[in-house]
Amino acid sequence: EPEVTQTPSHQVTQMGQEVILRCVPISNHLYFYWYRQILGQKVEFLVSFYNNEISEKSEIFDDQFSVERPDGSNFTLKIRSTKLEDSAMYFCASSDGGSWQPQHFGDGTRLSIL
Amino acid sequence: GESVGLHLPTLSVQEGDNSIINCAYSNSASDYFIWYKQESGKGPQFIIDIRSNMDKRQGQRVTVLLNKTVKHLSLQIAATQPGDSAVYFCALEAGNMLTFGGGTRLMVKP
Repeated sequence: EPEVTQTPSHQVTQMGQEVILRCVPISNHLYFYWYRQILGQKVEFLVSFYNNEISEKSEIFDDQFSVERPDGSNFTLKIRSTKLEDSAMYFCASSDGGSWQPQHFGDGTRLSIL
Repeated sequence: GESVGLHLPTLSVQEGDNSIINCAYSNSASDYFIWYKQESGKGPQFIIDIRSNMDKRQGQRVTVLLNKTVKHLSLQIAATQPGDSAVYFCALEAGNMLTFGGGTRLMVKP
């Protein structure tokens, strides 16, 4: 069964450094998403991406964050100048429709900021 | 803003019994609802979905019920198995994003 894959599974970074989290969505999907889950809290929406542009973003997704689809298979989340509070699980998801289509999630990248 | 809440943080059931996990939501404009299962160390796994023009949908051993009048969603798991032990999230779609509930941990006793 097709799945969303994320790398790395765990990323440890010094505060202030930049990190790039990588995702390979399901191959025929057109809509891509990033979510995060701080330990013990709800899964929170960050951003949705379609047709090479952001279609929606949350208040969390400020200028510190950016997304990119650098080629036909990868979807990345870049976090500049990381802060301690950026420590969380980051989940990538994809779907083959913008609405009324289930989003399928990867197993996440655990980001630890020291 | 939207909020999605769970009635119980932990549900413990005997293997073979039926499980019911509940979810309340506040955004009456939401028209698509999804249940996800999350096992330790893994991402949310799609279980079943339902659109707002339906009040019931069945899958394999799972049933989702939607009551739009009281803004309530439930997931029923028949003949619960040890492999069903996980955290279950309801999520609702608003625009192009999902809003998740806080999760209910289902524990299955052998």
